[in-house]
Amino acid sequence: GAVVSQHPSRVICKSGTSVKIECRSLDFQATTMFWYRQFPKQSLMLMATSNEGSKATYEQGVEKDKFLINHASLTLSTLTVTSAHPEDSSFYICSARPDVVTEAFFGQGTRLTVV
Amino acid sequence: SQQGEEDPQALSIQEGENATMNCSYKTSINNLQWYRQNSGRGLVHLILIRSNEREKHSGRLRVTLDTSKKSSSLLITASRAADTASYFCAAYTGNQFYFGTGTSLTVIP
Repeated sequence: GAVVSQHPSRVICKSGTSVKIECRSLDFQATTMFWYRQFPKQSLMLMATSNEGSKATYEQGVEKDKFLINHASLTLSTLTVTSAHPEDSSFYICSARPDVVTEAFFGQGTRLTVV
Repeated sequence: SQQGEEDPQALSIQEGENATMNCSYKTSINNLQWYRQNSGRGLVHLILIRSNEREKHSGRLRVTLDTSKKSSSLLITASRAADTASYFCAAYTGNQFYFGTGTSLTVIP
């Protein structure tokens, strides 16, 4: 299957700093990428959908200014958690979709801990 | 919320037994996928069933889909201790994924 690489896999940062998470499709061009957040022992919650070259569409309740998403190329999307706080600590997962009719492929996730 | 629901939330069985998990969703779908997640790790794709399919097999996995009831089930036969993980269904609309709440499966050796 197609490969989606997410980096870093783990990051610890101080409260008030910003953290960037990268999601790359390694062997296909991703028209659309999705960002999810997962709290311990809970399901994945969709945060936003980004299409290459356009602004991301955020789900209700997700702060656009706090979770900045950039999808500048067909192989890379980034999620920047700005001015991170301990409550932002979570597991973030991206997925990338080649085109409309195929399934999406998931990265391995990023464990963010804000101290 | 577009999120689906799964039951049971937790399931504990003996090795060698079968495990059945159910998933319900709310939207019209293009396909439905099942994923596995080990604790603290990413998602592993298990099987995909398209909206025009009713049943699909892959190794020890059997998936059924009833679009009229907006439900799906995942059966793992002859379970192994290594099957211990959380299992999620994901309803794919062709635009977005909507994940179920997950079933935590524990297989006791």
